Amino acid sequence: RKEVEQDPGPFNVPEGATVAFNCTYSNSASQSFFWYRQDCRKEPKLLMSVYSSGNEDGRFTAQLNRASQYISLLIRDSKLSDSATYLCVVILNAGNNRKLIWGLGTSLAVNP
Amino acid sequence: DTAVSQTPKYLVTQMGNDKSIKCEQNLGHDTMYWYKQDSKKFLKIMFSYNNKELIINETVPNRFSPKSPDKAHLNLHINSLELGDSAVYFCASSHTPGLSAYEQYFGPGTRLTVT
Repeated sequence: RKEVEQDPGPFNVPEGATVAFNCTYSNSASQSFFWYRQDCRKEPKLLMSVYSSGNEDGRFTAQLNRASQYISLLIRDSKLSDSATYLCVVILNAGNNRKLIWGLGTSLAVNP
Repeated sequence: DTAVSQTPKYLVTQMGNDKSIKCEQNLGHDTMYWYKQDSKKFLKIMFSYNNKELIINETVPNRFSPKSPDKAHLNLHINSLELGDSAVYFCASSHTPGLSAYEQYFGPGTRLTVT
C-alpha cells in the first residue's frame, strides 16, 4: 500500500457543484496534514492545514479521520477558478527523522 | 517582491553536463527544500536544509549535491546529467519545522530538459 494515496481523477463538475476528495495514509503515526493546490505548470501553494477537529476556510472544509486514516477536502459552490490539482501532504515523525510525503494529487475541472 | 525565486526557469542541456540551479528566499525562513516533479506529476522531496544544515536527505543519486551558503539560499548542483533527470525542480522554504510549521512556499520551478 502506498504511504499516501489520492484518486487522480479527473473530477469534472459543473460550476456551483459541491465536490469532495479524500487522501488516505498508511502510517498511523502520521501527525500533520495539509492540502496544497497546484495549477497547471505552476508551483504548489498551500490551501489549508488540516486540524484534528476539522476546519473551514470560506468554501473549503478540511477534515481528518484518524480512525480510518484519511483526510478530506470539501469544496462548496465550485468556481471555474477552482480547477487545479489538489495535493495532500502528510508529515510523519519517525524518531529523529521527519518525512514529508506528498500524494500524487487529484485533478479537478470545473466546467461552465 | 518575489518570495522564493529560482534561476534559471528553463534549462536545456545535454547528457553528461554539469549544471546548477539557484534558489533564494526573502521570507526570513530557516528551512529550505528541493523537490523534483517528474512527468507523472509526482512531487518528491530531495533535500531539506535548516539553518544551513542538512536535515532531510532522501535517496537521490550522489550526482545531486545541495549547497547552502546561508539560510536564504539553497543551490542544487547536478553532475553528469542523465535523461532521467529531466523534470521540474522546485525550491521551497518554511519556518523552522515543528509539526505545525510546515507551511511551505514554493519557487516557480526550473524545468530541466536533458537531451
